[in-house]
Amino acid sequence: NAGVMQNPRHLVRRRGQEARLRCSPMKGHSHVYWYRQLPEEGLKFMVYLQKENIIDESGMPKERFSAEFPKEGPSILRIQQVVRGDSAAYFCASSPGLGDGYTFGSGTRLTVV
Amino acid sequence: QKEVEQDPGPLSVPEGAIVSLNCTYSNSAFQYFMWYRQYSRKGPELLMYTYSSGNKEDGRFTAQVDKSSKYISLFIRDSQPSDSATYLCAMSLNAGGTSYGKLTFGQGTILTVHP
Repeated sequence: NAGVMQNPRHLVRRRGQEARLRCSPMKGHSHVYWYRQLPEEGLKFMVYLQKENIIDESGMPKERFSAEFPKEGPSILRIQQVVRGDSAAYFCASSPGLGDGYTFGSGTRLTVV
Repeated sequence: QKEVEQDPGPLSVPEGAIVSLNCTYSNSAFQYFMWYRQYSRKGPELLMYTYSSGNKEDGRFTAQVDKSSKYISLFIRDSQPSDSATYLCAMSLNAGGTSYGKLTFGQGTILTVHP
């Protein structure tokens, strides 16, 4: 089992560009979560998805951020028109179902220059 | 006030010491409590998971939950240099609803165990 796979590991974008972060959950896991970790801070919940459904997006900024988990393929976190404040480590986690523990990926480190 | 407060440290201890890591929380609806370990440039790794007050032991690790005081702790016995990492407490609401999916984390405590 390859675990939760995130790519790219590092992503550099100029201000105003788009960032697309990918997450492939563990085999058999249908629940995906995205978290953001800013320097010197803990992880902050962003969004919780199941296949083709957004279940809880209470932690997503209202503008420029979107997430999807299609029937086929990885989950995508998309950040449009990035700003310097978006620089952070973005972690994806997956679980087999509600009430099960998470497995985190190694994260994507986004740097906006 | 943050929902979850964690002693930020950093902590530096000699090998073999007993380490105590602590978190307090304000939301009495939290029912599930976890401790994660995060090595540098890696994702968090689940160490301990409990949903009731009391102690839970796993090898050198003991998780303690006191819901009446809204206080959780992680004890590491016979600490090793390989335990050097950031430790994050996390908690969530009842399972059974969509709210379980969301974990609320403390800001993490950096631990260094020196030989």
